[in-house]
Amino acid sequence: AQSVTQPDIHITVSEGASLELRCNYSYGATPYLFWYVQSPGQGLQLLLKYFSGDTLVQGIKGFEAEFKRSQSSFNLRKPSVHWSDAAEYFCAVVHTGGFKTIFGAGTRLFVKA
Amino acid sequence: DGGITQSPKYLFRKEGQNVTLSCEQNLNHDAMYWYRQDPGQGLRLIYYSQIVNDFQKGDIAEGYSVSREKKESFPLTVTSAQKNPTAFYLCASSTARGASGTEAFFGQGTRLTVV
Repeated sequence: AQSVTQPDIHITVSEGASLELRCNYSYGATPYLFWYVQSPGQGLQLLLKYFSGDTLVQGIKGFEAEFKRSQSSFNLRKPSVHWSDAAEYFCAVVHTGGFKTIFGAGTRLFVKA
Repeated sequence: DGGITQSPKYLFRKEGQNVTLSCEQNLNHDAMYWYRQDPGQGLRLIYYSQIVNDFQKGDIAEGYSVSREKKESFPLTVTSAQKNPTAFYLCASSTARGASGTEAFFGQGTRLTVV
């Protein structure tokens, strides 16, 4: 069965520091890969997505993610975190040819001054 | 503006009552979904629908029901059989096929509390 693993339940970084959120997926082929962000009490917003091609994808708000097939990973990165980045981040997959999204459990990001 | 509208934003239910959460989209999406979110548990799929008049159970469908009579609407009823309904409910939609459209668009959520 397909699954998405986000090994870090929460992460705390200092403002201005770099960030990497981890995501691993379990699936026979390369699925479509997504990162979403959720502010408290709100819906989810798409940060970026990977379908094919260049394995480094750029998203909104200065985020990027790198797909590594050999590691079945799709880690999210940002070179310099801002206090407004504090939120919950979800990695998600859709298997090729399908449409149903499967989400990881999420990683809550705390930003300290 | 295109998007997904969930209402109400906050909902209170008495023990034994059924309540219905509204979800409307004007994105012309074929697929719609209901997720439940509890602290520390991510998003769990309740029901999804790929086309009008058809829907499928997700991972935690017990105690819930849905209908899909129109493409734009996918209401969720939380029945009295759902023993622990207090949660944050999210509705989403996507195109049903194709790489370019598989991302999900979300509403702002409904917070349901049993009183």
